[in-house]
Amino acid sequence: QKEVEQNSGPLSVPEGAIASLNCTYSDRGSQSFFWYRQYSGKSPELIMFIYSNGDKEDGRFTAQLNKASQYVSLLIRDSQPSDSATYLCAVNMIYNQGGKLIFGQGTELSVKP
Amino acid sequence: DVKVTQSSRYLVKRTGEKVFLECVQDMDHENMFWYRQDPGLGLRLIYFSYDVKMKEKGDIPEGYSVSREKKERFSLILESASTNQTSMYLCASSPTGLSTDTQYFGPGTRLTVL
Repeated sequence: QKEVEQNSGPLSVPEGAIASLNCTYSDRGSQSFFWYRQYSGKSPELIMFIYSNGDKEDGRFTAQLNKASQYVSLLIRDSQPSDSATYLCAVNMIYNQGGKLIFGQGTELSVKP
Repeated sequence: DVKVTQSSRYLVKRTGEKVFLECVQDMDHENMFWYRQDPGLGLRLIYFSYDVKMKEKGDIPEGYSVSREKKERFSLILESASTNQTSMYLCASSPTGLSTDTQYFGPGTRLTVL
C-alpha cells in the first residue's frame, strides 16, 4: 500500500461547481497534511495545511481532515478555469532531527468554462 | 517572501558526465530537500539535509550525492549521469523539522541526459 494515495484523475468539473479532491494515508501517526497546487511546467506551491480534525477554510478552499479514517480532502468552491492544475497531497513525517513530506501522485483537475 | 532558486531551468548533459545542480534559499531555513518528479511516479525524495554538513538518504538516493557546506546552499551531484536520470529536479526548503512546517519549492531544473 502506498503511503499517500490520490486518484490520478483527470477530474473534470464545470466552471462555478465544487471540486472535491481526496487523499488517504497509511501512517496513523501522521500529524500534518498539506495541499499543493502545481501548474504544468511549474513547481508546487502551497495552498494550505491542516493538522486538526475537522475543516479549515481559506477563501474558496476548504481542507478537511479525518484522522480516524485516515483521509484528507480539499474542496474548491466556485471553481475557475485558473484552478486547472495538478493538486498534490503531502503528509509530514518526522525523521531523525528533521521532517520530510511524503507526496501522493497528484490529482489533475480540469475546470471547463 | 521565501525565495528558493535553482542554478538552471534547463540542462542537457551527456551520459557519463558529472552534473551539479545547485539550490540556494534566502530565508535561513534549516532543512533542504532534493526531489525528482516523473510522470506517473510523482515527487520522489532523493536526499535531504537538516543542518550544514548533514545529509539523509531519501527514497531514491542511488546514483546521486549531495553537499551542504553552507546553510543556504544544497547541491545535488550526479557522479556519472545516465539516461534514466532524465527528469525534473526540484529543490525545497523548510524552516525546521516541526510537523507544521511548510516546504517551499524552487522553480525546478529539467535535466535531459543524452
